[in-house]
Amino acid sequence: AQTVTQSQPEMSVQEAETVTLSCTYDTSESDYYLFWYKQPPSRQMILVIRQEAYKQQNATENRFSVNFQKAAKSFSLKISDSQLGDAAMYFCAYRTSGSRLTFGEGTQLTVNP
Amino acid sequence: EAGVVQSPRYKIIEKKQPVAFWCNPISGHNTLYWYRQNLGQGPELLIRYENEEAVDDSQLPKDRFSAERLKGVDSTLKIQPAELGDSAVYLCASSPGGRQSTDTQYFGPGTRLTVL
Repeated sequence: AQTVTQSQPEMSVQEAETVTLSCTYDTSESDYYLFWYKQPPSRQMILVIRQEAYKQQNATENRFSVNFQKAAKSFSLKISDSQLGDAAMYFCAYRTSGSRLTFGEGTQLTVNP
Repeated sequence: EAGVVQSPRYKIIEKKQPVAFWCNPISGHNTLYWYRQNLGQGPELLIRYENEEAVDDSQLPKDRFSAERLKGVDSTLKIQPAELGDSAVYLCASSPGGRQSTDTQYFGPGTRLTVL
């Protein structure tokens, strides 16, 4: 079974600084997809960034980028120039084609002014 | 474009009572998902529909939970009777469908259920 592990229950960052959230996963599949979702107190799960395992290039979305290390089964999220609105619970998630999303336990990010 | 709509946003019931949640997916999305999210944890899939067919319901506690998506559009998730351990946030998500990498799931705001 696939598992997703987020080893940092809580992280904090100063506004305008950079923070990296860690995620590792376990799978025997070669073709899969990885996601980072953000869940603010409103509970709405918002897609932050997506990475296809067959792509070597790391995905980037504005201030958000990932460091995808396929051999190490690692998928970390870097948030640059952190803003107060980035404060939320961040979930790493994995799926193969047509299968369910498997989520990690989440990392609560606090942004300090 | 409207997102995934869920109602109600909050529900408080006493144990042994029935409860139902409603979800309307993004227009044109063939795949619909129901997740349960316990406090401090990530969501866990309860059931996935491809159009009106339930294709993955292995995690649905079928003794008390039921779901339907009769016309392949909106869906209802029911619990009868509710137990204290059912207190959680119930999330609905939808995706266009298919096995493409672009089949990204989009989530609704969820329903927070409290069972007293």
